[in-house]
Amino acid sequence: AAGVIQSPRHLIKEKRETATLKCYPIPRHDTVYWYQQGPGQDPQFLISFYEKMQSDKGSIPDRFSAQQFSDYHSELNMSSLELGDSALYFCASSSPDRGTEAFFGQGTRLTVV
Amino acid sequence: AQSVAQPEDQVNVAEGNPLTVKCTYSVSGNPYLFWYVQYPNRGLQFLLKYITGDNLVKGSYGFEAEFNKSQTSFHLKKPSALVSDSALYFCAVRDKYPGGGNKLTFGTGTQLKVEL
Repeated sequence: AAGVIQSPRHLIKEKRETATLKCYPIPRHDTVYWYQQGPGQDPQFLISFYEKMQSDKGSIPDRFSAQQFSDYHSELNMSSLELGDSALYFCASSSPDRGTEAFFGQGTRLTVV
Repeated sequence: AQSVAQPEDQVNVAEGNPLTVKCTYSVSGNPYLFWYVQYPNRGLQFLLKYITGDNLVKGSYGFEAEFNKSQTSFHLKKPSALVSDSALYFCAVRDKYPGGGNKLTFGTGTQLKVEL
C-alpha cells in the first residue's frame, strides 16, 4: 500500500541557509500535518492543511512557512536556519474524519551546521 | 487544551512477560486516543485507537489497550513481550478542529526495553 513519502530523507545545511522539505500524502488523503521531533523529544506539531488551506498552526517559527498544493502534496520552507532547527521533521496525512488515524512518513533528518 | 501524559520514561520487561505502557488523558468531551510506535530513525507507526465502543481495543502486533473513563487512562498492553517490541511508544490524543485538520498531540513517549 502507498505510504506517505517525504523527501529528502537527509539534509545538511549551514546556518542562515534555507531548506525545503517535501511531503506526498497517501492518495485520497486531503489533510497533511507537519511535526518536528528534536533529539529525545516527542513530536511537536507545527502546522496542518486541509484541502489546501491552513487548518491549524502550532509552534512553527515565523522563519518557517508551508503550503499544500493542488495535488495535495505539501512543502515546508525553512529560512535563516539555526542550529536549533536540527531535528527530524515528519509529515503525516489523514482523511479529515477525527476518528481516523494519521499515517506518518519516514521523516527528513535536517542537520544545521 | 487536550493532552496526554506518559508517566514512565522507560519500561523494562523480560521477554515472554506481559507489558504495560501507561497513558492518562485530559480532554473535554469524548476522547479520541491513539498509540504509535517509533523505531530508531523511523517514522511513527500506528498501533491502535479508541474512538468509541468496547473499552478493550486490539491493534497491530498483538498489542491492545484498555480505555478506562473513570481513571482517564488508556494503557497499552501486550500479554507476552518480544525483544522486537523494544521501541519508543507514544500515546496521542486528537483535537477536533472545525473544517478538518485535526492535529494529534503526543505524550512525551515511553522507551520500552524487552530483554532476554
